[in-house]
Parts: sequence; C-alpha cells; structure tokens
Amino acid sequence: DTGVSQDPRHKITKRGQNVTFRCDPISEHNRLYWYRQTLGQGPEFLTYFQNEAQLEKSRLLSDRFSAERPKGSFSTLEIQRTEQGDSAMYLCASSPSPGRDSYEQYFGPGTRLTVT
Amino acid sequence: SQQGEEDPQALSIQEGENATMNCSYKTSINNLQWYRQNSGRGLVHLILIRSNEREKHSGRLRVTLDTSKKSSSLLITASRAADTASYFCATARYNFNKFYFGSGTKLNVKP
Repeated sequence: DTGVSQDPRHKITKRGQNVTFRCDPISEHNRLYWYRQTLGQGPEFLTYFQNEAQLEKSRLLSDRFSAERPKGSFSTLEIQRTEQGDSAMYLCASSPSPGRDSYEQYFGPGTRLTVT
Repeated sequence: SQQGEEDPQALSIQEGENATMNCSYKTSINNLQWYRQNSGRGLVHLILIRSNEREKHSGRLRVTLDTSKKSSSLLITASRAADTASYFCATARYNFNKFYFGSGTKLNVKP
C-alpha cells in the first residue's frame, strides 16, 4: 500500500498521560500536514512541514503539542499532559511540491484519540 | 476558526437527483478543493479549481468558483446512494503552508 499510513488507529489514554502518534507519508511527498477533526466538524489545521522544516503552526496548538519530522520522512505528533478536550481524530496528509496538478492532499485514515 | 463555510449543513435527496452544495470563504486563495469523507473513512480529494478558473468538470462533478463573491459550488449530477458522505471545501493560501476546511455538508442519497 503506497498511501499515507498512521499509527495507532485508536488510542485511549487517561487524562494527564502523554501520547505520540506517527504518520508515514507517501514517499517522495515533501509536504506534510497535521489536522484535528472533531465530530461534525471539518479538519482543523495544526501544523505543516516542508521536508524536515516545520514552517507553520496553528495558534490553536498549545505548548503541550509538539510535532517533528526528522529527515523529512515520517512525522510524529506528541501531546503531553492530555486533557479531555484533546479527544478527537488526528489526521495526517501529505502532498508533493506544488506543480501544475499537485496541490491535492492525500489523507491517512487518522488516529482517534479518546482521553478519559 | 474555519475559513470556509458550507451550505447547507445537511442535504437529503433521492437517488438520481442532483445535489448542490455551496462554500464561502474569507480571504484571497490560490485554489479551492472539494473533499469527500464517508462515514468512518478518510478524506478523499475530489476536484480542484484554481483562482483563475470559473468552472471545472470531472465525471458527474461540476465545480464553479466566483472569486468576487468568495464562493464556490459543487454540483453532483445523477446522484447515487454511494455518494452519501460529508463534503468539505478547502482553500489554500498562496504558499500552501496552510489549508482551511469548512464545516461540511452532510449529503444523504436515498435509494
């Protein structure tokens, strides 16, 4: 399968615990995005990487959230001291460099986080 | 907050009918994209229209863009039960560093 993969698919954690999610983009895609989606809403932008550089970060992302993309390949999203409000679906998407027809994003299946 | 807003929030039609959903946005864009999300499944890209285009077709999909009104519409012709899903518009800034998604239109196509 050459699509975007995310791991784990589901995560249940207790409030206050740290969690880490992984995203493997489509190889040769140098752009990677993280989104958060709650029930009945559209994806909400969290952060963006071009290769290994984090170029954009939402103001909604508190200092409990951190993302990395070492070597410009896979990416991780860590949430420290989780809160019940962090419960959501976390989506990863990758995209090639903008070209004539390469603006679209390819989404992974998401990681559903439940904080109890 | 989301930049795009879809209208209506929900739409229920019979199979074979056409479905039209609208999207409004707030700032200048490079392009506007429409995505579909089936229940429990990931987002799938449907069609992209650039800011210098007014209309685009892809199979049963027709997208229009009016940059003066900052709005777009997605028309699905001859709908099928398999078209039942949530549809989102997404706008991209010129540097592609950020995409804004709307809150979506939930389409139900009854067989």
